[in-house]
Amino acid sequence: GAGVSQSPSNKVTEKGKDVELRCDPISGHTALYWYRQSLGQGLEFLIYFQGNSAPDKSGLPSDRFSAERTGGSVSTLTIQRTQQEDSAVYLCASSLSVGTGGETQYFGPGTRLLVL
Amino acid sequence: QQQVKQSPQSLIVQKGGISIINCAYENTAFDYFPWYQQFPGKGPALLIAIRPDVSEKKEGRFTISFNKSAKQFSLHIMDSQPGDSATYFCAAMDTGRRALTFGSGTRLQVQP
Repeated sequence: GAGVSQSPSNKVTEKGKDVELRCDPISGHTALYWYRQSLGQGLEFLIYFQGNSAPDKSGLPSDRFSAERTGGSVSTLTIQRTQQEDSAVYLCASSLSVGTGGETQYFGPGTRLLVL
Repeated sequence: QQQVKQSPQSLIVQKGGISIINCAYENTAFDYFPWYQQFPGKGPALLIAIRPDVSEKKEGRFTISFNKSAKQFSLHIMDSQPGDSATYFCAAMDTGRRALTFGSGTRLQVQP
């Protein structure tokens, strides 16, 4: 079956602009995660959605970052007033969340964001 | 306390050799320890994972060794192949929270 898909694959924006990054999880996966991968900070957790529960936003670096998940499936990560330090690869992952192997997170290919 | 420390940063191994990557953690709430493999331009892919109730898990050429008392775990790649050349990340999870905490990564190069 299809894996996690993300769009766009690359995004170049100007400092101060808003960007939206999209994630389509694996069908049937109830949990969805966003991570950021940058040279300076490595791979870091941003936010986690589980079903209809309130998301775990503990990894969001500032209030310029927000995410939503519509209908328990597709998720959008929004970065407002982008800064150059936001340049990174934004990775989405999904998991079954329950049952044997439910903790296994499957990653998408990422969106490479460059803020000029 | 959330950190996972990984070493070495880079590793060069001859084809057929053994690659060993080490990780250490502090948070005793971590109860799931996966290793991910990442090729350039791709997302991380799960390689193998272990829970702390076992000390070793083997899948093909890949083995995780886990030392709960020392809070350390390692990945061994036997008979390393050029196709194994990639960046490897260890990670740890408190399954009550679900967020993965990653090590800093090891860039492995297997020379033919």
